Amino acid sequence: DQQVKQNSPSLSVQEGRISILNCDYTNSMFDYFLWYKKYPAEGPTFLISISSIKDKNEDGRFTVFLNKSAKHLSLHIVPSQPGDSAVYFCASMDSNYQLIWGAGTKLIIKP
Amino acid sequence: DAGITQSPRHKVTETGTPVTLRCHQTENHRYMYWYRQDPGHGLRLIHYSYGVKDTDKGEVSDGYSVSRSKTEDFLLTLESATSSQTSVYFCAISTDRPSNEKLFFGSGTQLSVL
Repeated sequence: DQQVKQNSPSLSVQEGRISILNCDYTNSMFDYFLWYKKYPAEGPTFLISISSIKDKNEDGRFTVFLNKSAKHLSLHIVPSQPGDSAVYFCASMDSNYQLIWGAGTKLIIKP
Repeated sequence: DAGITQSPRHKVTETGTPVTLRCHQTENHRYMYWYRQDPGHGLRLIHYSYGVKDTDKGEVSDGYSVSRSKTEDFLLTLESATSSQTSVYFCAISTDRPSNEKLFFGSGTQLSVL
């Protein structure tokens, strides 16, 4: 039973357009959320995070939105660049301060 | 980049054999983690350590053991490998709990159990 779900295994976006990656969670007690990015043959790297006391956090081209009532968060990348092609993982913090990860979404940026 | 080295990078072994994966860090970070990544599951925590000789189980710890005798090294052992343990294994480190500090990951070990 996955507590963090990324329902889109892959997403293809034109270069320069907006990429929107979605993540749903089931546990209303989760109060801290993160996005990691992973290139092939490399480990994941931290991208951006958000606490439940906020509904938006922005870092350059990356913005994460949190909708607590819907238990949904999304990552927006604007504008999308070829180097953004990677697998994106959503993760949330459980009550033991450990991360629960989604299955990932593979983002493909088309030139 | 955080100084994390995983060895070996690739390993093929047979069912029933013991396997040890090594994670070495040069950052002197307190927390170290072992994750496995499988298609459709994302990353799942196997074991983690919050100091020398201080370890605890994650959500998928069955069939795995760990040891941390030095700050810089965290070993993951499969006592008797099974085909279900074929996976990509990632080591990660952090200075504090994931709620406070981000994790830095190694490049992974691809393990195949035949």
